[in-house]
Amino acid sequence: GAGVSQSPSNKVTEKGKDVELRCDPISGHTALYWYRQRLGQGLEFLIYFQGNSAPDKSGLPSDRFSAERTGESVSTLTIQRTQQEDSAVYLCASSSRGYNEKLFFGSGTQLSVL
Amino acid sequence: GEDVEQSLFLSVREGDSSVINCTYTDSSSTYLYWYKQEPGAGLQLLTYIFSNMDMKQDQRLTVLLNKKDKHLSLRIADTQTGDSAIYFCAESGGSSNTGKLIFGQGTTLQVK
Repeated sequence: GAGVSQSPSNKVTEKGKDVELRCDPISGHTALYWYRQRLGQGLEFLIYFQGNSAPDKSGLPSDRFSAERTGESVSTLTIQRTQQEDSAVYLCASSSRGYNEKLFFGSGTQLSVL
Repeated sequence: GEDVEQSLFLSVREGDSSVINCTYTDSSSTYLYWYKQEPGAGLQLLTYIFSNMDMKQDQRLTVLLNKKDKHLSLRIADTQTGDSAIYFCAESGGSSNTGKLIFGQGTTLQVK
């Protein structure tokens, strides 16, 4: 596609429910990233996929968070048993994994946990 | 560990120059970046500088890098109301490069 697409753009859920966030990267981009942005704060790295390599999960805040990616296409970020502190904008980015690592971001999913 | 720090807020008058500052800790960073985030939108790459450069100019944007002090700045000349946004500084890891970028907390630029 023309850009990184994320869905849904907004998600309101109740505490304790599971949510799935989806990211469609730019076609041909081998690298995909998930970041979290809490209100008034910077971006917090969550997870990074690069081709068929094992993902870098070092930023996932707890075992309630997981992410999958099929090949070099769509990725899904799953948050189980959501908590109020999970409320944030979840941003996905992709890159061609060129040497200068330019990231192209989606518009994000605004997650609100009530 | 790797860390990137920015001031949180900057207010300037339209037509003036804006200077947004950033400090980082990873001296092995290969590239340093400036991203812009407009309200309700994702981040957009504004410009970047390779670590062996001191300065890069791109139209109204000037990036200065002081590698000794690990200090990066973004100067916007003739600031316009459309420049109002949050500006994020980011570094790419060098020796610890796993592909992820480390972002600062963002500087909100208000143009009056």
